[in-house]
Order: sequence, then C-alpha cells, then structure tokens
Amino acid sequence: GAVVSQHPSRVICKSGTSVKIECRSLDFQATTMFWYRQFPKKSLMLMATSNEGSKATYEQGVEKDKFLINHASLTLSTLTVTSAHPEDSSFYICSALRWEGRRNETQYFGPGTRLLVL
Amino acid sequence: RKEVEQDPGPFNVPEGATVAFNCTYSNSASQSFFWYRQDCRKEPKLLMSVYSSGNEDGRFTAQLNRASQYISLLIRDSKLSDSATYLCVVSNSGYALNFGKGTSLLVTP
Repeated sequence: GAVVSQHPSRVICKSGTSVKIECRSLDFQATTMFWYRQFPKKSLMLMATSNEGSKATYEQGVEKDKFLINHASLTLSTLTVTSAHPEDSSFYICSALRWEGRRNETQYFGPGTRLLVL
Repeated sequence: RKEVEQDPGPFNVPEGATVAFNCTYSNSASQSFFWYRQDCRKEPKLLMSVYSSGNEDGRFTAQLNRASQYISLLIRDSKLSDSATYLCVVSNSGYALNFGKGTSLLVTP
C-alpha cells in the first residue's frame, strides 16, 4: 500500500515555542493532504485541507495563524504550531489523498506526531 | 448532534465470536463511507469501504442503509488480533473525512 511518513513522531517543547511537523507521501504524489488532531479518547477531527500550490482550507474553529500549513510540493505538507501552549498537546495525524484510478481516491494516513507542550 | 455517531463500547467478546458494530450519520448528502481500524496510539488504517450493495472481505462484512443513514460492520470468527478501535467514517462533498468516536473491541482468549 501507499506510504505516508510524518516527522517527528513525538516532540516535547516549552510553551511559547513553535513546532513544525512534516508529512510526506513516499511513493506517490499528493495534490491534497489533510491534517487531523486527536485528543485522548476522542475522535479524529479535521483541522485543515492542504492543497499543493495554494492556501490551505481550515475547518471552523481552527486558527489559521496558529496552525500554519505549507504544501510546497506534491510530496510534502508541513504543519507549524506557532506559540504552542499546553492545550495544543495532542496527536496530530496527516493523510495524503492518492488517486487509485477509475474515479477512486483513498486517503492514506501518516503514523502521527505526539506533541506535548510543557 | 454529531455528524457520525457510534456506540463507544467497549465490546468484550471471546475468540470465535461474531460481533456487530453500528453507526449512524446525520448528513443525508454524504457520499462515501468507510470503516477504519485504529490500534492504540497508532494512526487509523482503512479496513474497508462500504457500498450500498453491501460488501464482504473475508471475515468482515459491511452494510450501508442510505434511507436509515445507518452503517454496520460485522466481524465473524473474531481473532485476538481484531482487538482495536473501529472507526466509522463518512465523507461528504470533497474528500475530507468525518470520523466517529470509535467502538472499542477486545477479543479475549
């Protein structure tokens, strides 16, 4: 199956610092990638849709100035959590949309990044 | 009302049992339906897509009832390795996925 990687897998940072998370599609090109967040015992919540070469589309309630998304190439999207605070501690998961042919697309998820803000 | 609702469980079943999960969705315009599996502290992985005609993949059978906005997953002959959280997922227009909270399954020896 398709492979999506994320880096780092986990990060601990001090409150007020910025953290960048990378999401890469390793064996396919992805025009569209998605960023999700999952709090403990909660469902994944879509944060934003990342489109290569254009601005990301953010879901209601997600601050675009706090969660900066850049999708500069067909294999890489980055999420930067700016001025992180403890309430931003969460499991951040990206996914990449892969064209499977015959009008069929599948989202492949990265392994996730655990962020802990102290 | 949440867009995708599932019984959170947990479901504790013995090996070999048959277990069924249910899910309802609120948006009648939803277009695509999936079951994902998520192991503890891991990313979700696609288990199967769900079609109106129903579909089966080995021990797993998925059903969709558009009129009732209801999706089901049946697991036959449960294995220990089936223990996980099963996520009901619905996609509306575009490709963004709406996840249910998940149903936890524990298969015991």
